Amino acid sequence: NAGVTQTPKFQVLKTGQSMTLQCAQDMNHNSMYWYRQDPGMGLRLIYYSASEGTTDKGEVPNGYNVSRLNKREFSLRLESAAPSQTSVYFCASSVSSKDQYFGPGTRLLVL
Amino acid sequence: AQSVTQLDSHVSVSEGTPVLLRCNYSSSYSPSLFWYVQHPNKGLQLLLKYTSAATLVKGINGFEAEFKKSETSFHLTKPSAHMSDAAEYFCVYTGGGNKLTFGTGTQLKVEL
Repeated sequence: NAGVTQTPKFQVLKTGQSMTLQCAQDMNHNSMYWYRQDPGMGLRLIYYSASEGTTDKGEVPNGYNVSRLNKREFSLRLESAAPSQTSVYFCASSVSSKDQYFGPGTRLLVL
Repeated sequence: AQSVTQLDSHVSVSEGTPVLLRCNYSSSYSPSLFWYVQHPNKGLQLLLKYTSAATLVKGINGFEAEFKKSETSFHLTKPSAHMSDAAEYFCVYTGGGNKLTFGTGTQLKVEL
């Protein structure tokens, strides 16, 4: 049972480039989330999807877009990467908000 | 606004001594509270959770936390630290819905 998987594990981008972070879960969870983690700031919610077909903004959505492709997959897209988006990105899933399961993270460096 | 405050950004203990990681919350609702652990270059793992049942919550790896409404606290403790406990710990709050609010984290160092 893989749980929550994320690809890629590492990525280096130049300013202005675009990329999509992929997330998949095999636990049949309804809800999925994208967070970013920056030193000294804990995790901050970027977007979430309470169920297939719905998405909502979190605390820091600017510069990002998401797609809930199906129940398993939830992708995060950076259309024009900026150095301020250098971070570690975590995807999570849950049946309810009370038990979220996290992926291993994607480390992104924007030069 | 609802929030959590982790009172120490770094805690250092000797192996075999007790661990105390402090967390206070601010909420006008009856909260659900969690502790997550993150080992270096890893994702987050749920240690324990409080969801309005017993106020003393036992988690994995010998950790426990006590919900004290009068003190608005949810401190994490362990009687005897092990080297493998060295990690970053996050206190997390939710008042309901789908959103978790994370504290800023406490880095636990365990020394021989």
